Amino acid sequence: QKEVEQDPGPLSVPEGAIVSLNCTYSNSAFQYFMWYRQYSRKGPELLMYTYSSGNKEDGRFTAQVDKSSKYISLFIRDSQPSDSATYLCAMRDGQNFVFGPGTRLSVLP
Amino acid sequence: GAGVSQSPRYKVAKRGQDVALRCDPISGHVSLFWYQQALGQGPEFLTYFQNEAQLDKSGLPSDRFFAERPEGSVSTLKIQRTQQEDSAVYLCASSSRQGGEQYFGPGTRLTVT
Repeated sequence: QKEVEQDPGPLSVPEGAIVSLNCTYSNSAFQYFMWYRQYSRKGPELLMYTYSSGNKEDGRFTAQVDKSSKYISLFIRDSQPSDSATYLCAMRDGQNFVFGPGTRLSVLP
Repeated sequence: GAGVSQSPRYKVAKRGQDVALRCDPISGHVSLFWYQQALGQGPEFLTYFQNEAQLDKSGLPSDRFFAERPEGSVSTLKIQRTQQEDSAVYLCASSSRQGGEQYFGPGTRLTVT
């Protein structure tokens, strides 16, 4: 079992839809949780950075962390074609950063 | 520029050649990370520097991989006697403080033929 699991997709949604992206993990020592967006042939771009359990909202993006279930989510409201990218979850314990494999998202106009 | 830069962006090497990949972190960032990203996968940790000190190299896949950051700024990842399985995108990230948010460069796409 990998340390971080993420459905690779691809996930296709119509423009304006609410998108839900998820990761599960096995290492209970992870305390910091991140979501990155990666466009084709580009480096990952940090979207959200959260500590421990709870919710964090930034514009159209909401990150949720449930440490008891070892489950994190990213919600994208009013999705746009420009949101089409690969979304990577990442987790940190000290200086140990672990990434999920990414979910490919396509938002269709 | 204000971001992390990497060079070259693309590198084609014949099997057995040595390659050197460069990373210029954001100015003032003390932490620097190297990752390897295979097609369709997330980045896999290779090594980590705090200033000029290499604090963790547990992710380097073999002794053919070597990284340095002699003055605590620019870093070079060197791969000796490249193999086909080394083909991947090599990403560099920097952070302003230990444990802080990482900012990634665009990566170097290495193809070993």
